[in-house]
Amino acid sequence: SQQGEEDPQALSIQEGENATMNCSYKTSINNLQWYRQNSGRGLVHLILIRSNEREKHSGRLRVTLDTSKKSSSLLITASRAADTASYFCATDAGIKLVFGAGTILRVKS
Amino acid sequence: DVKVTQSSRYLVKRTGEKVFLECVQDMDHENMFWYRQDPGLGLRLIYFSYDVKMKEKGDIPEGYSVSREKKERFSLILESASTNQTSMYLCASRGTGLSSYEQYFGPGTRLTVT
Repeated sequence: SQQGEEDPQALSIQEGENATMNCSYKTSINNLQWYRQNSGRGLVHLILIRSNEREKHSGRLRVTLDTSKKSSSLLITASRAADTASYFCATDAGIKLVFGAGTILRVKS
Repeated sequence: DVKVTQSSRYLVKRTGEKVFLECVQDMDHENMFWYRQDPGLGLRLIYFSYDVKMKEKGDIPEGYSVSREKKERFSLILESASTNQTSMYLCASRGTGLSSYEQYFGPGTRLTVT
């Protein structure tokens, strides 16, 4: 049961540009999390936003959450080649997290 | 730092073999998870465990079983490997409590069944 769905599936930008990824989900959540996966590796937690929060910042990351639309977005500002990775949203409704299919981000230098 | 380790990074097995994938975490987490990851499908939950000897089916448990005899170790077993089980397998752990939201992942095991 795939809850989160990311959009776009793939994104290619130049270094220094901003990257925006979107996530939609279907049921009510406690929080929504974003993870990053470098090629062929495990996932690493980036940021969490609770259901009663609308926006959160961490370094070059900005996450928004709209519970009325059941959607979230992840903005990476001033992207770097090292940001090249897959990004996943995950919805949290208890013990489990449910992950979407991910957005592949490529940052060209 | 939380560390989740998986027994192998790459594994090649033959059809019909019994396969064991081991996962160990060092943070005394109650919850542990096994996912498989396939291109375009994201992460799909196979099984999870919320305590020693306790297990719950995830979204795709068919063809798999699990074992959790100790808190730090969670094993995924393919009773009779098939080619459609060729995939990347990811283990994760997570604590319990208000500050234990994130999951910590191992590096993954890329399994090829021939």
